[in-house]
Amino acid sequence: DAGVIQSPRHEVTEMGQEVTLRCKPISGHDYLFWYRQTMMRGLELLIYFNNNVPIDDSGMPEDRFSAKMPNASFSTLKIQPSEPRDSAVYFCASSRAGYEQYFGPGTRLTVT
Amino acid sequence: GQQLNQSPQSMFIQEGEDVSMNCTSSSIFNTWLWYKQDPGEGPVLLIALYKAGELTSNGRLTAQFGITRKDSFLNISASIPSDVGIYFCAGGLNYGGSQGNLIFGKGTKLSVKP
Repeated sequence: DAGVIQSPRHEVTEMGQEVTLRCKPISGHDYLFWYRQTMMRGLELLIYFNNNVPIDDSGMPEDRFSAKMPNASFSTLKIQPSEPRDSAVYFCASSRAGYEQYFGPGTRLTVT
Repeated sequence: GQQLNQSPQSMFIQEGEDVSMNCTSSSIFNTWLWYKQDPGEGPVLLIALYKAGELTSNGRLTAQFGITRKDSFLNISASIPSDVGIYFCAGGLNYGGSQGNLIFGKGTKLSVKP
């Protein structure tokens, strides 16, 4: 079975540019999570969806961040405009009605 | 908010040694999970625990859900070089009967003894 798929794996962009990260969850999983990982703050939950509906977005740092899940097999995390402090590894994870979350390989974002 | 204290922060292993790490919290969790992360990869689920006092094994890995529901332990027996990596604990809560999110510890980094 295919795992969680994320694209791109690496993204380098300039400050002020829009960045879109993409995620395809495991088929049949009805929960989708977006995390950010940095050395200083570890793994932080940004937002999660259940059946394509956002449930908790309290971890989204500010209005520059937005996430959508238009259908059960696709989600995006958008940063507009991007800033150097957004540089981090962004993970998508999915689960089937439980706590056992399966992570994708991550997108390493560098904002210069 | 809830916080998980994971210890030790780092440790060195020699092949064949047993390894222990733990995770504690001032809050009660309904679920404890352990993940391993290799460089450049996402965390991989190792063990999930759902009941206080539960002891679960996955090969050479054994994890326990503390009886107070505020802690969990992970043991690795007879370590091998591929055990190197960062191990994360995560605690889960239920909100209103639906799945809550996971709170992650800061990780225990396992390295090989020089």
